[in-house]
Amino acid sequence: DSGVTQTPKHLITATGQRVTLRCSPRSGDLSVYWYQQSLDQGLQFLIQYYNGEERAKGNILERFSAQQFPDLHSELNLSSLELGDSALYFCASSVEALGDTEAFFGQGTRLTVV
Amino acid sequence: AQSVAQPEDQVNVAEGNPLTVKCTYSVSGNPYLFWYVQYPNRGLQFLLKYITGDNLVKGSYGFEAEFNKSQTSFHLKKPSALVSDSALYFCAVRPRYDYKLSFGAGTTVTVRA
Repeated sequence: DSGVTQTPKHLITATGQRVTLRCSPRSGDLSVYWYQQSLDQGLQFLIQYYNGEERAKGNILERFSAQQFPDLHSELNLSSLELGDSALYFCASSVEALGDTEAFFGQGTRLTVV
Repeated sequence: AQSVAQPEDQVNVAEGNPLTVKCTYSVSGNPYLFWYVQYPNRGLQFLLKYITGDNLVKGSYGFEAEFNKSQTSFHLKKPSALVSDSALYFCAVRPRYDYKLSFGAGTTVTVRA
C-alpha cells in the first residue's frame, strides 16, 4: 500500500458526461501528480500541483481540469467525455515538487466511457 | 524538451538468467532518474533512483540500475530473474530544476519458468 488513495476505483459513464476523480496523497506529501494511462498512449503526464498551486502542465485537454484543496487532496474533473477518454487515471504524490524525491502512486481509477 | 525512451516493448528471459531493461533519456543537465514497476491492475511501485555519485544504484527486490552519462542511459538490471518479476517496467526522468516527471512507454518483462 503506497498510502495514496484514489476514488472511485471504477467508473462507467456515457459520452458527454462529466466526472470527478479524487485523490488523497500520502500523509505529509505536498505535491500531487495526475497521469493518464492508455494502451496506445502509454503513461501521459497531465498536471502537477504543489501545496495548492499548479506547478507543471502536460498533455491535459481543455475539457479536463484539476485542483488541489487546502487539505491537500486533489480532484481531476473530466467533462464532455469522449470514448477516447477511457483509460486508467493515476494520482501520485511526493514530499516535494522538485528534487530527487520519488513519487508514490495510487491504485488508479479505471474510467470507461460508453 | 525532455524525453525518455525504452527501446524494447517486450523482454523475455528464462528464470535464473540475467534481466536487462533498457532506458535512454534526452534531458539537459544532470537529471534525476527513476525506475518503477507495475503489476496487473495495480499502481506503479518505485524501484530505485539515481541522484548523483556512484553510477550503480541498488534498489528493491534485487534490482539495480547503471547510469551512463556519456550514453545518456539508465538500464535496469537483475542478475537472476524470477517468474514473479514478470511485469511492466517504466523508466522516468525529472530535470534537476523542473517539476515535470516524465515516463517512458514501458517495457513488458516476461520471465518463463
